[in-house]
Amino acid sequence: ETGVTQTPRHLVMGMTNKKSLKCEQHLGHNAMYWYKQSAKKPLELMFVYNFKEQTENNSVPSRFSPECPNSSHLFLHLHTLQPEDSALYLCASSQDWAGDTQYFGPGTRLTVL
Amino acid sequence: GQQLNQSPQSMFIQEGEDVSMNCTSSSIFNTWLWYKQDPGEGPVLLIALYKAGELTSNGRLTAQFGITRKDSFLNISASIPSDVGIYFCAGDFNAGNNRKLIWGLGTSLAVNP
Repeated sequence: ETGVTQTPRHLVMGMTNKKSLKCEQHLGHNAMYWYKQSAKKPLELMFVYNFKEQTENNSVPSRFSPECPNSSHLFLHLHTLQPEDSALYLCASSQDWAGDTQYFGPGTRLTVL
Repeated sequence: GQQLNQSPQSMFIQEGEDVSMNCTSSSIFNTWLWYKQDPGEGPVLLIALYKAGELTSNGRLTAQFGITRKDSFLNISASIPSDVGIYFCAGDFNAGNNRKLIWGLGTSLAVNP
């Protein structure tokens, strides 16, 4: 059983919708991450939070807005997405900061129509 | 930026055969990680390597941290159908305050029963 859970597992949304992805980790870790996984591309790191503070934003468009209310929960708020944003969005956590061994959730498969 | 070259891109083998895949880089890494991703799921950590030259096994899996710290390989012995999936390598790159995991593109493994 993974210590990182994500909801929803699948999401279909229109370009004008607003939705949120949720991630929760039960591992007692201090760092959490959002990744985007598209076919034939390496995993793309989007955001990093360390002790609830955002430490990295890899030039992600503002239509993606992360929120980390505590070290166990991470959200990704989505609005006015584009079809090319369709992908698997993975959440991960690690004991400490980026570079430490990361444990992944099952992902949210997002389709933007 | 830093890149990992992972090969082969895909493999199709018979059940019972051994498998070998590797990752190389022009940069030095502090840690090498090997993950497996099943369809519709997030990557799961298989083996973590922390020292140059380190050879570590996990059941039928064996991985080594190259002595130059620029490469790593993963071997799977006596493959079985449940080995099917995508295998990713990741390296912990540390340049001053810029510390992150760099990911390979993955090796897709298919096993013919």
